[in-house]
Amino acid sequence: DAKTTQPTSMDCAEGRAANLPCNHSTISGNEYVYWYRQIHSQGPQYIIHGLKNNETNEMASLIITEDRKSSTLILPHATLRDTAVYYCIVRVPNSNSGYALNFGKGTSLLVTP
Amino acid sequence: NAGVTQTPKFQVLKTGQSMTLQCAQDMNHNSMYWYRQDPGMGLRLIYYSASEGTTDKGEVPNGYNVSRLNKREFSLRLESAAPSQTSVYFCASSGRRLEKLFFGSGTQLSVL
Repeated sequence: DAKTTQPTSMDCAEGRAANLPCNHSTISGNEYVYWYRQIHSQGPQYIIHGLKNNETNEMASLIITEDRKSSTLILPHATLRDTAVYYCIVRVPNSNSGYALNFGKGTSLLVTP
Repeated sequence: NAGVTQTPKFQVLKTGQSMTLQCAQDMNHNSMYWYRQDPGMGLRLIYYSASEGTTDKGEVPNGYNVSRLNKREFSLRLESAAPSQTSVYFCASSGRRLEKLFFGSGTQLSVL
């Protein structure tokens, strides 16, 4: 799986858009980008995934650069409940290389009133 | 709509005691997983079960055993608990897309 790099922490004002970056410069052509978040003391929650096109669902938008070396998760109107650790994971779908998802350390997002 | 249910939520053990963490999912998923999460270490895969009747070691299997009892249930057993096994344990499951995991709410285990 390609290595990912995320900032350790970020702040965002409530109601504003939260833009969380992820670098994955060694991503290969068949690897997808997955995002999860973990609210304090809860299990991680799947947010969104994509290959090369931008994706949007009810939780967030995922913007992947044309060269696929980086991506941004966008929470369009952050609320206090979005305070969490956000994980960017790159992986070939349904790979049987150990089945472990590498969650890494993620970005700790603090949404402030 | 329960999803993934883990029991118990909290447990304190003495060194050498044994216990079993229970996990059940109601989403008809084939694959199930046990992760542990330690401060500063992120989540690490202990064991997984790709389908009913199969189990395989993950990154940190030592000191644990698992049983895939049926399609719904996947249990994790500590035969002789050690302080190094103090952690938060998460069970997860996934369907056709393996990378879309659904996690339980976790078990906080302390071994004294």
